[in-house]
Amino acid sequence: KNEVEQSPQNLTAQEGEFITINCSYSVGISALHWLQQHPGGGIVSLFMLSSGKKKHGRLIATINIQEKHSSLHITASHPRDSAVYICAATFGNEKLTFGTGTRLTIIP
Amino acid sequence: KAGVTQTPRYLIKTRGQQVTLSCSPISGHRSVSWYQQTPGQGLQFLFEYFSETQRNKGNFPGRFSGRQFSNSRSEMNVSTLELGDSALYLCASSFRANTEAFFGQGTRLTVV
Repeated sequence: KNEVEQSPQNLTAQEGEFITINCSYSVGISALHWLQQHPGGGIVSLFMLSSGKKKHGRLIATINIQEKHSSLHITASHPRDSAVYICAATFGNEKLTFGTGTRLTIIP
Repeated sequence: KAGVTQTPRYLIKTRGQQVTLSCSPISGHRSVSWYQQTPGQGLQFLFEYFSETQRNKGNFPGRFSGRQFSNSRSEMNVSTLELGDSALYLCASSFRANTEAFFGQGTRLTVV
């Protein structure tokens, strides 16, 4: 069964802290996506990766294919980073399967 | 470059009615996928269209249907609405399967 698990479900941190959100998946995938959802519903695609590491500004995404694990890191966190972060995987059937999301709150 | 546009943004319908939601993808994108998001079930895949053909379908009843037009715009239809259909419906477009997906703002459907 194609499954995606995220942790933690909720994360509260002080401004400036280094943030890590984890994602694991059950079987081989063709791509792993990290998404950001702000209140109001709109979703923004942050990263799509199938190997290695990608960086965009203060955001870094890594994936370890052998361990079936990906992490999203935020450096120098800021209150505007407060959002729900969702991990999603594209399995062989090409449907996106989503994790349950991590609600991140950054306190000034 | 315009993003993915979903209309309407908000909708209130009565049980038993039907509803049609629209999604206009980014220009040049031929793949459109639809998702349902509820507090209980999270995000779930509904269906995916590519060049007017349904390529994938999620585990939803036949009341949920969709189509894609020659200009890549897509519609989804839900017939005989139930209270449990209240959700945020999101569509995403991509150039083709397995490429980066761009999401719309969603249509929030409330069934009363």
